[in-house]
Amino acid sequence: GESVGLHLPTLSVQEGDNSIINCAYSNSASDYFIWYKQESGKGPQFIIDIRSNMDKRQGQRVTVLLNKTVKHLSLQIAATQPGDSAVYFCAEKPYNTDKLIFGTGTRLQVFP
Amino acid sequence: DAGVTQSPTHLIKTRGQQVTLRCSPKSGHDTVSWYQQALGQGPQFIFQYYEEEERQRGNFPDRFSGHQYPNYSSELNVNALLLGDSALYLCASSLAGGTNEQFFGPGTRLTVL
Repeated sequence: GESVGLHLPTLSVQEGDNSIINCAYSNSASDYFIWYKQESGKGPQFIIDIRSNMDKRQGQRVTVLLNKTVKHLSLQIAATQPGDSAVYFCAEKPYNTDKLIFGTGTRLQVFP
Repeated sequence: DAGVTQSPTHLIKTRGQQVTLRCSPKSGHDTVSWYQQALGQGPQFIFQYYEEEERQRGNFPDRFSGHQYPNYSSELNVNALLLGDSALYLCASSLAGGTNEQFFGPGTRLTVL
């Protein structure tokens, strides 16, 4: 069946360092891959997306990389800040649907 | 510009009861999706409403039903509640034909005893 999963459940980084959150997916029939950030007590917040025909996309302090050969997605956060502490989910949107398939999440902890 | 709002924020029910959760989409959005998020898990797609009709559905039983009103607000109804229905229920809104960004509300925490 379809699944989107993450390699590491918890990632601890020092403030100012770069963070890399990884995700593996199994469904090849998706046209978009999306990263969401969820803070405690809040709903998921859109960070960045990437279309399946792209390899890399950059936003403000974030970069998403897509490797379709090995079905791997990553989110890079530059100069990680305390406000980046949250659970990060990767999600995919299959072709011809609007539903999102989420993975189980990675908790990012930023310490001073 | 109001974001997505949901009510109530918390709810406690007992097994076998019925529950209705409500969602108001972000201003200008016409599509509402509902997700169930169990503790420690990612959200699971329940269904999506557009033009007052269910457009897509995930792997949830018929006990889960919904409705969308002409003003685009939506309700999620769950009948014959089970302990396993305890979760955070998230509403997400978007604009049909727009970007892939779905805006999520804060959710309703449902506890079934």
